[in-house]
Amino acid sequence: GEDVEQSLFLSVREGDSSVINCTYTDSSSTYLYWYKQEPGAGLQLLTYIFSNMDMKQDQRLTVLLNKKDKHLSLRIADTQTGDSAIYFCAEKDNQGGKLIFGQGTELSVKP
Amino acid sequence: KAGVTQTPRYLIKTRGQQVTLSCSPISGHRSVSWYQQTPGQGLQFLFEYFSETQRNKGNFPGRFSGRQFSNSRSEMNVSTLELGDSALYLCASSLVLTGELFFGEGSRLTVL
Repeated sequence: GEDVEQSLFLSVREGDSSVINCTYTDSSSTYLYWYKQEPGAGLQLLTYIFSNMDMKQDQRLTVLLNKKDKHLSLRIADTQTGDSAIYFCAEKDNQGGKLIFGQGTELSVKP
Repeated sequence: KAGVTQTPRYLIKTRGQQVTLSCSPISGHRSVSWYQQTPGQGLQFLFEYFSETQRNKGNFPGRFSGRQFSNSRSEMNVSTLELGDSALYLCASSLVLTGELFFGEGSRLTVL
């Protein structure tokens, strides 16, 4: 079945780059998403990539997609303490609008 | 443009009671989805509505139900509450069935 995997924790220093990785199983997924969740809040859509793209850049965020390996990554340049949050990778189910989420990666940014 | 609004934000219920959660989507959005978030199971899909019709349903018992009104607002209901139903319930809306999902802040349910 469909499954999305992420590492659970990542710790970086302020100003460094962060790279959060994700693997998925459904090769027919059309869109892949990155969401951010701060404590006590809902999910904020950060960015997404269409399956026929390899890379998408949006200000400090870069998404890389390797369809052959079913690997997705989110790079945050010049990471700030305000970037500390849980980041979820999600793939869109082809049967409709349902999203399959990973477990989330908790990013800790140290000053 | 106002975001997705969920009410109530917090509520406490006891086992056996029922609860109704409400979601107002972004203006113009016709699709509403519901997700349950727990520390153990993560984010799990409950159901999805478009134009008042349920289009997709997750693997939850029949105690979980929902509906969508003609103005696209949606409600979900959980009957005969169990301790394991304690969770953050997130609603998301999108312009079309296959569009990007925008989430609300969630309704945090505690079952005692």
